[in-house]
Formats: sequence, C-alpha cells, structure tokens
Amino acid sequence: QVQLQESGPGLVKPSETLSLTCTVSGGSISSGYWSWIRQPPGKGLEWIGYIFYTGGTNYNPSLKSRVTISGDTSKNQFSLKLSSVTAADTAIYYCARHSGDDSFFDLWGQGTLVTVSS
Amino acid sequence: DIQMTQSPSTLSAPVGDRVTITCRASQSISSWLAWYQQKPGKAPNLLIYKASYLESGVPSRFSGSGSGTEFTLTITSLQPDDFATYYCQQYNSYPYTFGQGTKLEIK
Repeated sequence: QVQLQESGPGLVKPSETLSLTCTVSGGSISSGYWSWIRQPPGKGLEWIGYIFYTGGTNYNPSLKSRVTISGDTSKNQFSLKLSSVTAADTAIYYCARHSGDDSFFDLWGQGTLVTVSS
Repeated sequence: DIQMTQSPSTLSAPVGDRVTITCRASQSISSWLAWYQQKPGKAPNLLIYKASYLESGVPSRFSGSGSGTEFTLTITSLQPDDFATYYCQQYNSYPYTFGQGTKLEIK
C-alpha cells in the first residue's frame, strides 16, 4: 500500500526558504506525476506544482518565480522549496500522487502545517 | 486561470436526505473534473474523476455529472460519515484549480 509522508520545519521566518520533503513508501516515484498542494488554515486548496518521474516540472504561475520541486529516486522522495516566504505562505502543505497520466490526485499525504513567522 | 465556483458554500441537511452540490467553471473544461471530500484535520479524499467516474472504494450513493462548465455532485441518502467539506478541481488546463469548497453540515 503506497503511502506519502511530508516532513520539514513547521516554522519558517519571513524572507527565508521553506523546504519540505515527501517520502513515498510502498511504491516508487520512478513513474508518474507527483504534486505539491497547499491549504491556508480554514481556506481552500491551491496547486503549487508537480514533478514528472523524468524530472520535468510544471509550476503554478502565481508561485513560479519562488518554487522549485525536485526528486531523488534513490531515496524515493520529492521535495519542495519555496523562497522569500511571507505570512501568506502559512498553510498546510500536502504532497499528492497523480492518478496515472491524469492530473487529479488519488493519494495524498497527511499534510504538514508550515507557519511563517519571526 | 480557470475559476471554479461552488454553490452553495454551506449546506445543511438531515441524515437520509439527498443533496446536490454545483461546481461551475469559468470556461469549458470538457469532463476534466474531480470531486474530493475533506474532513477536519485530514487530507482530501478523491470521490469522483472525469466528472462522473466513481473512484474505487467510494460508496455508490455518491455520483457526479456534467460537462463543459457546469457540474454536480449528488449524495443520495446522506450518512453521518458524509458530513464534511467538498471540493471540485479542474484538470483541463494549467494551473489546476479548485473550487472554494462546500461545507455539508448536519441539520
């Protein structure tokens, strides 16, 4: 049974870089698409971007200048970096698996809350 | 970006009722729409994809319909476990976007 687990600091200072990792167990990131999605507390969902198993990426234009998603197949992990964070980046961050070659999400991590505050 | 608008934002209904949630896209997305259920403190859970295809393991009281710009999620015979927030998501074009959510409450 495939599982996704986010990890990383729960508190990041303004202007710094948010870094999170998603570890995939029971399956391999060497196929398919893998996304990051976030949800500010009490609000809706925002797609951040994805990485394809070949290393190709696609980002939400609203965040593109600050986002990098990378993968490490040897560790079966993919990561998110979001630079120059502000309080508006405070959110629960989810990693998720695309269903096959489609772009809906059939498996999600439990999510991790990242707070941006000094 | 394609805007997804759900209605209503909040819905109150008793156990056993039939409810319908609507999702409208700002432009045609064919049938590239998914529905998710989210409970407090949990990640969203896929219910429906390609507008009307039921994800494996999802109870048959959930159904989806629509194409183009208007879509509906229907839950027949509401169960206590169904009270949650529901989101639609378009995956017709980048960036993928979600509706603002519909909170389904017990009446």
